[in-house]
Amino acid sequence: QQQVRQSPQSLTVWEGETAILNCSYEDSTFNYFPWYQQFPGEGPALLISISSVSDKKEDGRFTIFFNKREKKLSLHITDSQPGDSATYFCAASQGKLIFGQGTKLSIKP
Amino acid sequence: NAGVIQTPRHKVTGKGQEATLWCEPISGHSAVFWYRQTIVQGLEFLTYFRNQAPIDDSGMPKERFSAQMPNQSHSTLKIQSTQPQDSAVYLCASRTGDNYAEQFFGPGTRLTVL
Repeated sequence: QQQVRQSPQSLTVWEGETAILNCSYEDSTFNYFPWYQQFPGEGPALLISISSVSDKKEDGRFTIFFNKREKKLSLHITDSQPGDSATYFCAASQGKLIFGQGTKLSIKP
Repeated sequence: NAGVIQTPRHKVTGKGQEATLWCEPISGHSAVFWYRQTIVQGLEFLTYFRNQAPIDDSGMPKERFSAQMPNQSHSTLKIQSTQPQDSAVYLCASRTGDNYAEQFFGPGTRLTVL
């Protein structure tokens, strides 16, 4: 059973647009959700994270919206840039990380 | 700070051979994790050490896979009698003792079993 789900699998937006990546989870005991960015040939790197006590976290062009009642999160990337083209993973942390399947984001210049 | 170091970056083995993958965590990090990444299964947790002690190996296949952390500066993942389905990128990550601290990932070892 997939405990963390992501959608869409792939997403293409134009440069300057806002990309929205979705994530949902099963276990209500999860309380910390990091998002990782991965480029080909590299390991994932932390992009932004949120605790379940918050409903929003911003860092520059990246914002997480969190709905604890519905067990859903979304990552919004505003003013998308070609350098944002990567795979994005939503994860739930229980000490170890439980990852979603990822969203491959492509930004068209 | 060199980050998490993994060696080798690529390894090719024949079916039935043994493969040993190495990880050097970031100095001062007390928690070390191993994950496996494939197209089909995505990123899967394998095992986790804290202060060199095994904490959680719930993701490790029960046969053929083993992990050790003999000292604070390196961990190994050993796969005996490798099978084609073991082909994957094996990722090592480390963090401080805080459960909410960032996990820093190495570049991974791409294992190909022919």
